[in-house]
Amino acid sequence: GENVEQHPSTLSVQEGDSAVIKCTYSDSASNYFPWYKQELGKGPQLIIDIRSNVGEKKDQRIAVTLNKTAKHFSLHITETQPEDSAVYFCAASKGVGRLAFGKGNQVVVIP
Amino acid sequence: SQTIHQWPATLVQPVGSPLSLECTVEGTSNPNLYWYRQAAGRGLQLLFYSVGIGQISSEVPQNLSASRPQDRQFILSSKKLLLSDSGFYLCAWSPGGGLIFGQGTRLTVV
Repeated sequence: GENVEQHPSTLSVQEGDSAVIKCTYSDSASNYFPWYKQELGKGPQLIIDIRSNVGEKKDQRIAVTLNKTAKHFSLHITETQPEDSAVYFCAASKGVGRLAFGKGNQVVVIP
Repeated sequence: SQTIHQWPATLVQPVGSPLSLECTVEGTSNPNLYWYRQAAGRGLQLLFYSVGIGQISSEVPQNLSASRPQDRQFILSSKKLLLSDSGFYLCAWSPGGGLIFGQGTRLTVV
């Protein structure tokens, strides 16, 4: 099955700086790559996603890039704010809803 | 608009007791429904998914079972809880591609 690895496990950034989280996946047939943000005690929330026919997608301060050849994709957060502090999960899927998740990345934005 | 409800938010149960967690989705029909578990410091593991009433697929062998008695209702159960069943349980539905999660149930087995 699909194996998704996510790194680094923890990332601390100064407020206003950029944060980048990288994920790799193993199954070249995966075609959908979402990113989730999870705040303490809450369920994960979808923040951005990308499909395999697109190399980059941007939504305000967040963007996702996909390299199908290398089988990795990255989340970019620019102009970080304290409310960006959370755990971020990447995932990959070949089919509807059956996502394989990475282990999560704790992002800490230092004011 | 579609909403997903999951309850209870927290639950403390003794080892060997039964479990029933309920999830309902509103505002859509015939949704794909999922149960995930999140152990401390780990990612989300898919436990069960359902594409329709009475249709349940299990991803990993375990002490849990799932049922879908109605179109928008998904239930996670156990006859006898184990300590290792402790975790954060998340119900989700799929509007197409991604997942929309409920707020989760924190289960502690003591």
